[in-house]
Amino acid sequence: DVKVTQSSRYLVKRTGEKVFLECVQDMDHENMFWYRQDPGLGLRLIYFSYDVKMKEKGDIPEGYSVSREKKERFSLILESASTNQTSMYLCASVSGLQETQYFGPGTRLLVL
Amino acid sequence: SQKIEQNSEALNIQEGKTATLTCNYTNYSPAYLQWYRQDPGRGPVFLLLIRENEKEKRKERLKVTFDTTLKQSLFHITASQPADSATYLCALAGWGYSTLTFGKGTMLLVSP
Repeated sequence: DVKVTQSSRYLVKRTGEKVFLECVQDMDHENMFWYRQDPGLGLRLIYFSYDVKMKEKGDIPEGYSVSREKKERFSLILESASTNQTSMYLCASVSGLQETQYFGPGTRLLVL
Repeated sequence: SQKIEQNSEALNIQEGKTATLTCNYTNYSPAYLQWYRQDPGRGPVFLLLIRENEKEKRKERLKVTFDTTLKQSLFHITASQPADSATYLCALAGWGYSTLTFGKGTMLLVSP
């Protein structure tokens, strides 16, 4: 079974802090994604990556950056957290040969 | 702009009945459409994929239809059970490798 893990289930940070959210998958998938999910807005794509050191902006990249130094790990970085980044963050991965996205359990981030 | 619409109101049905959820889209020519299930506080889980040249797909108690003329997919759960209560998301993918665009989801509540 594919396993996607995220570093934290719940996180509380202060405005202005630098925040790292980590995602690790164990199935050698090429493609990884970061989404945020908010009530009434659904799942929105922040960034994605096709390969190590590759990254592409999604629909809402502002205020975020990403890092993919190893194939299995995709990090989302909030350079200076703001209250409007309070959200549920979901990571997903998919093999380049498949279409199904496998999601992690999510990180619920609260920025105070 | 591309738009995916799912009924924002929760669907309440009695155990044993068939639940039917709708996904409509505009300004989109998807290569395929997927349905995911999401439980509260968890990441989405893949259920079914249907391609643009397929009319219907089944998996156990689940059935998906795809009408590219109407730009609509219907998702059916037959003999519904309280354990089917969750939010169901539809997601569309364009041609070539592309990201998924998700609808906002419809909550299904199955009463005993």
